[in-house]
Amino acid sequence: AQSVAQPEDQVNVAEGNPLTVKCTYSVSGNPYLFWYVQYPNRGLQFLLKYITGDNLVKGSYGFEAEFNKSQTSFHLKKPSALVSDSALYFCAVRVSYSGAGSYQLTFGKGTKLSVIP
Amino acid sequence: EAGVAQSPRYKIIEKRQSVAFWCNPISGHATLYWYQQILGQGPKLLIQFQNNGVVDDSQLPKDRFSAERLKGVDSTLKIQPAKLEDSAVYLCASSLGSGGYQETQYFGPGTRLLVL
Repeated sequence: AQSVAQPEDQVNVAEGNPLTVKCTYSVSGNPYLFWYVQYPNRGLQFLLKYITGDNLVKGSYGFEAEFNKSQTSFHLKKPSALVSDSALYFCAVRVSYSGAGSYQLTFGKGTKLSVIP
Repeated sequence: EAGVAQSPRYKIIEKRQSVAFWCNPISGHATLYWYQQILGQGPKLLIQFQNNGVVDDSQLPKDRFSAERLKGVDSTLKIQPAKLEDSAVYLCASSLGSGGYQETQYFGPGTRLLVL
């Protein structure tokens, strides 16, 4: 089955420390991978995506993600966490659902990031 | 550039009542999506439009949910009659297209529905 998993419900990190939010995927073929962030009472905001090319993808607000094909992972990282980074983070993968050229995004259940001052 | 607009932001109804949500996508975006996000879960796709045609509605509970995008721009999602389990945030998203780099979806703020 094509899916994406976020193994941690919550990640706590001290302000100024590096952060990692984990994501693993299972798809047939080459994956399209995305990270979104959701602040309270807000919609999802696009952070970054991997489609092809360099395994290290840089995105908004200083975030980056590393695509690892052998480990089927796409972990989100930031060198120095800010209190304002506290939010819900979603990993998503494009999956095919019916016929050639038909795709949809499947989201993980989300990881709550808390950055402690 | 204006983002995806949704209204209302909040709605409280009683079970068996009907409710409608409205979405206006980013200008020029051909593809529009409706998602349901239940508390503690990731968004789940309900329906996807390409211009004014339905691409996928396999996860839309068609006995009570309906959606339309008549002129290929804004869209409405309706629930009739509502059930308690429909309490969720309904998110609308849009993208330029549905291939490669055009697939990036941009989300509206969502409508939080509470069914009592």
